Amino acid sequence: ETGVTQSPTHLIKTRGQQVTLRCSSQSGHNTVSWYQQALGQGPQFIFQYYREEENGRGNFPPRFSGLQFPNYSSELNVNALELDDSALYLCASSLGLADYEQYFGPGTRLTVT
Amino acid sequence: KNEVEQSPQNLTAQEGEFITINCSYSVGISALHWLQQHPGGGIVSLFMLSSGKKKHGRLIATINIQEKHSSLHITASHPRDSAVYICAVFGGQFYFGTGTSLTVIP
Repeated sequence: ETGVTQSPTHLIKTRGQQVTLRCSSQSGHNTVSWYQQALGQGPQFIFQYYREEENGRGNFPPRFSGLQFPNYSSELNVNALELDDSALYLCASSLGLADYEQYFGPGTRLTVT
Repeated sequence: KNEVEQSPQNLTAQEGEFITINCSYSVGISALHWLQQHPGGGIVSLFMLSSGKKKHGRLIATINIQEKHSSLHITASHPRDSAVYICAVFGGQFYFGTGTSLTVIP
């Protein structure tokens, strides 16, 4: 059984560009959540996908969007990057919605210059 | 206003000491999670609980739903326990505390 993986590990983008971050969930997990963690802060919930449908969203603008695929992989897309988007982006998979243990990936460190 | 508040923000302990980290929340929840984050970013789920108490090895987590409060205890602390401990709750969406940075000195 493989754990949750994310790619890339690090990424540097320029303000205004678009970025796609990828997450491969643990096998059998139908729920994936994405989080943004700024330096020195706790994670902030971006959104959650359950069986390929968005199932909840935090206070993030529409330029943050996602996709979940039948093979349990998922993507986080961010358009029109801003300097404040620089953060560690974490995904976590689980067997279901809120009352299940979350398995976190190692994160993608995004720097926007 | 933060939906989840943790205390203390920073904690330094001598090896062997008993440690308590507190978490208070203001939203109705279905589950509370305690997470451990090591330098470099990796997060590990320690506990998920919705009532009572859970124990894994030297770690104990308790929750009081009526008081909207949870505690994480570490007995016989060890330098390898040094990490950031984060409390998270699910109340319609996930809310996270800012974390408690623990350093255990040999």
